Amino acid sequence: DAMVIQNPRYQVTQFGKPVTLSCSQTLNHNVMYWYQQKSSQAPKLLFHYYDKDFNNEADTPDNFQSRRPNTSFCFLDIRSPGLGDAAMYLCATSRDHTGVGNEQFFGPGTRLTVL
Amino acid sequence: AQKITQTQPGMFVQEKEAVTLDCTYDTSDPSYGLFWYKQPSSGEMIFLIYQGSYDQQNATEGRYSLNFQKARKSANLVISASQLGDSAMYFCAMREGLGGGGADGLTFGKGTHLIIQP
Repeated sequence: DAMVIQNPRYQVTQFGKPVTLSCSQTLNHNVMYWYQQKSSQAPKLLFHYYDKDFNNEADTPDNFQSRRPNTSFCFLDIRSPGLGDAAMYLCATSRDHTGVGNEQFFGPGTRLTVL
Repeated sequence: AQKITQTQPGMFVQEKEAVTLDCTYDTSDPSYGLFWYKQPSSGEMIFLIYQGSYDQQNATEGRYSLNFQKARKSANLVISASQLGDSAMYFCAMREGLGGGGADGLTFGKGTHLIIQP
């Protein structure tokens, strides 16, 4: 089945130690998104890629970076995680960038714990 | 101002009853899409239903229907004949057309925690 895969499902890191979260997709979608969802809160968009074109949200901290080496993979790098970065990180894809009706397909998420 | 408002933090409903989850939205863009997602305790976001701003009819998908009242900027989710497996967080989300150009990601409401009781 075509899907969005996130690894690992659970990640524990230490305060200040860089961490990378991975997302892959078999849907061959052009757009990939990263959302941050803190406990009992709504998901919040961090950034997205349309093909190789990177689009950062204005209020996304510089501590968060992303890479998309090819259509299938997208990475979220947190350069110096703080306690406030503990959250569920959701990766999503959509077929296209234009059109308000393009459904987003979500992965299962990676739950990040910062010690 | 919040773009998506869900006023019900939590709801308890008896199994087999119908349930309505409220969602109001705020946008000045004439082109927008409204989505409902279900998020079980495992964390994945499951797409339920979509309504476009130009759609004339309310969307339906199996037991899910969307009560779209454009003038009131309301997009309530109706679940008929609720089941125990419907217990989850439910998020209303919007994607704006940004004046006809490319659309960014979804803006989510704070969610409603629905618990179905036997």
